[in-house]
Amino acid sequence: AQSVTQLDSQVPVFEEAPVELRCNYSSSVSVYLFWYVQYPNQGLQLLLKYLSGSTLVKGINGFEAEFNKSQTSFHLRKPSVHISDTAEYFCAVSDPRSNTGKLIFGQGTTLQVKP
Amino acid sequence: SQTIHQWPATLVQPVGSPLSLECTVEGTSNPNLYWYRQAAGRGLQLLFYSVGIGQISSEVPQNLSASRPQDRQFILSSKKLLLSDSGFYLCAWSLRGRERGRGSYNEQFFGPGTRLTVL
Repeated sequence: AQSVTQLDSQVPVFEEAPVELRCNYSSSVSVYLFWYVQYPNQGLQLLLKYLSGSTLVKGINGFEAEFNKSQTSFHLRKPSVHISDTAEYFCAVSDPRSNTGKLIFGQGTTLQVKP
Repeated sequence: SQTIHQWPATLVQPVGSPLSLECTVEGTSNPNLYWYRQAAGRGLQLLFYSVGIGQISSEVPQNLSASRPQDRQFILSSKKLLLSDSGFYLCAWSLRGRERGRGSYNEQFFGPGTRLTVL
């Protein structure tokens, strides 16, 4: 069975500062990894995904994440945040062998960007 | 391109009343479909998923049920709502695996959600 832990429930940061949102996963098999963003009262939008290959993945809105197999981590980073990045961020993992396509989500991290 | 619709966008219902939330997907065929719930201040809880017409898997026992009467239609229902059913309901879809045994791409695409308040 897989699980996902997002280590910070809330991350406050000032505008134009760098940010890292942490995600660790547990799995006995290879996994696919995802980061989603949710703005208030909206659905989830995919930021980026790791399926295979290069461990540094670039996504939309200037975000990137690095897959670290030895540390079972997939931390999300942005070098300079904007007020508009204020949102809930979810890390998720799935089993590539699964026919159901089920995702296991972390509990989410609220990014609060202050002016 | 593919799109996913949910309605209604918001709903206020009294305790004990029935519920029907609808989700439809356009631009793809044979998708996997999912219903999630977000309670206030909490993460996503997978309620149901479906890999085909009439095939429904329940993740947690509860007051809700799901049905898939058509390939791209997914319905969430309840006969009698409870206060604890309040929340933000999200529908999602993903591609089905193209070859037996290879699994699906697993990336899920989410609808805009329905805000349900039970009073």
